[in-house]
Amino acid sequence: GAVVSQHPSRVICKSGTSVKIECRSLDFQATTMFWYRQFPKQSLMLMATSNEGSKATYEQGVEKDKFLINHASLTLSTLTVTSAHPEDSSFYICSARQFAGGMSIQETQYFGPGTRLLVL
Amino acid sequence: GQNIDQPTEMTATEGAIVQINCTYQTSGFNGLFWYQQHAGEAPTFLSYNVLDGLEEKGRFSSFLSRSKGYSYLLLKELQMKDSASYLCAVMDSNYQLIWGAGTKLIIKP
Repeated sequence: GAVVSQHPSRVICKSGTSVKIECRSLDFQATTMFWYRQFPKQSLMLMATSNEGSKATYEQGVEKDKFLINHASLTLSTLTVTSAHPEDSSFYICSARQFAGGMSIQETQYFGPGTRLLVL
Repeated sequence: GQNIDQPTEMTATEGAIVQINCTYQTSGFNGLFWYQQHAGEAPTFLSYNVLDGLEEKGRFSSFLSRSKGYSYLLLKELQMKDSASYLCAVMDSNYQLIWGAGTKLIIKP
């Protein structure tokens, strides 16, 4: 099956620093990638939808200047948490939607393993 | 290795009951999630189990047996809108989500 990786899997940083999280589709091309945030025992919260070569679409309440998303290629999207604060500590997970090419578009989303961010 | 198994596809009739099984082998266990995902949409949270037993939430129930590495999602009084993929995910000892491939549920009138 399709594989999506995230790096790093876990990061600890100081308040005020920026953290970049990478999301890669390893064996397929992903025209769309999704970034989620998850607090313990809660549902995934969609933060933004990232389309290759265009600006990301942010969900209501998500600060686009704080969570910078870049989707420069069909296999890589990055999320940068700028000037991180302790309240940004969370579990960030991406998913990638496969583009089958040709006649149809696969609707299946493949999820990465997640990145746990702790801001001190 | 870590593994989550669930059936690829199931078919059920409107108004009936369906049970979607999930078995897992992970390094540690910090809870099991069920998500519903309609085609082209983000997944939505259905349930979370961390202790053995049955959790009921309206038409949906989720069961967990940690000793057997087994869970199921039970959907009652099926409606056409329940046609979706159902994702089982386990949080391992590193708090990483290990995802199943999902079960596509087809509801027929």
